[in-house]
Amino acid sequence: SQTIHQWPATLVQPVGSPLSLECTVEGTSNPNLYWYRQAAGRGLQLLFYSVGIGQISSEVPQNLSASRPQDRQFILSSKKLLLSDSGFYLCAWSVYSSGSALSYEQYFGPGTRLTVT
Amino acid sequence: RKEVEQDPGPFNVPEGATVAFNCTYSNSASQSFFWYRQDCRKEPKLLMSVYSSGNEDGRFTAQLNRASQYISLLIRDSKLSDSATYLCVVNRVDSSYKLIFGSGTRLLVRP
Repeated sequence: SQTIHQWPATLVQPVGSPLSLECTVEGTSNPNLYWYRQAAGRGLQLLFYSVGIGQISSEVPQNLSASRPQDRQFILSSKKLLLSDSGFYLCAWSVYSSGSALSYEQYFGPGTRLTVT
Repeated sequence: RKEVEQDPGPFNVPEGATVAFNCTYSNSASQSFFWYRQDCRKEPKLLMSVYSSGNEDGRFTAQLNRASQYISLLIRDSKLSDSATYLCVVNRVDSSYKLIFGSGTRLLVRP
């Protein structure tokens, strides 16, 4: 069966510090991978998605970036954190989609709760 | 208008009650629909996909009404463990890779 890991579970970082969050998926090959952010009491906001190694699409312009160095590894980074970067960061995967009209279910990792102070 | 709209609730019901949530979506071209459940401070988990003919999974029934552009979730015989936020999810018509998550409906089941 497939599993998805994220770490760390919680993180407290000062403004201006760098960030690196990692996500790995097991039990599947060539998944689509996603990074979301959920602010307190709010809905999920898609930040980045990837359909293959080195292929990153950005949804929202901001000081975050993403990379996919391996098939089942997805990394979210920032060079300098802002207070507004605080939130619950969720990585998700889905079965690879060729871009048909139908979308596949997405499965989420346990998330990283980031507080920028 | 939001792409996916849900009543935030909370819906406060006694154990054993039947409760229903509706969700409306704005783009008639949407093709994929899901319900997710999110417990407090946890990740969303897929509850069920919603098919055109409607589908049932135990105490949970999902319906799709394309003409009126809404989907519904019915929970029968509510349990305390059903207390959570239920997220309505629709695919983005400009890209099948992307899903749009509603802000969720909060359910509280009391003893």
